[in-house]
Amino acid sequence: DTAVSQTPKYLVTQMGNDKSIKCEQNLGHDTMYWYKQDSKKFLKIMFSYNNKELIINETVPNRFSPKSPDKAHLNLHINSLELGDSAVYFCASSQVRIGYEQYFGPGTRLTVT
Amino acid sequence: AQSVTQPDIHITVSEGASLELRCNYSYGATPYLFWYVQSPGQGLQLLLKYFSGDTLVQGIKGFEAEFKRSQSSFNLRKPSVHWSDAAEYFCAVAPRGAGGTSYGKLTFGQGTILTVHP
Repeated sequence: DTAVSQTPKYLVTQMGNDKSIKCEQNLGHDTMYWYKQDSKKFLKIMFSYNNKELIINETVPNRFSPKSPDKAHLNLHINSLELGDSAVYFCASSQVRIGYEQYFGPGTRLTVT
Repeated sequence: AQSVTQPDIHITVSEGASLELRCNYSYGATPYLFWYVQSPGQGLQLLLKYFSGDTLVQGIKGFEAEFKRSQSSFNLRKPSVHWSDAAEYFCAVAPRGAGGTSYGKLTFGQGTILTVHP
């Protein structure tokens, strides 16, 4: 049973396209996150949702739009993809009331050509 | 602004040798502290965490870490490294308490790549 799952695992697309990455967690957590890991392996938070409410929105181009249809799902939609969007995107979840122990998904490697 | 520094980008040790990975943080108050490990092509797995209490915390896979408030450090250690420990290790911090724009926000260090020689 996968705790935090992401689809797809790999995504190759051309500049200008629009794409979505989906994330689901079956841990019953109330908070979900999106992180971006660049080519130098640096991890930076992008967004966080708590009970479907956006609570962290870092300095991210507005081409990136997260959506949380329910507490178990957090999707990331990216419009007008650019070369610089190539990265690994990680979803994570936590039950914040018991601390910030975050569980990460396997990642989605996005390559923009 | 809060920051996390892992001074060593790459460390190489022999199998069976001891290991220490350094982590220093800059924060207004003592944050929650974490170590994660990432194997090639994989997601991040939590090794251990410090919230409060005993400053020496034990984690999975035989790892431990010591919180030193005076040095703003949270170094990761293992007495005897196994070849399967080769991976990238990330130190991370999160603010204490709930609420506000920092709610649950993890700030990561740059990572330390561990290579293990047989």
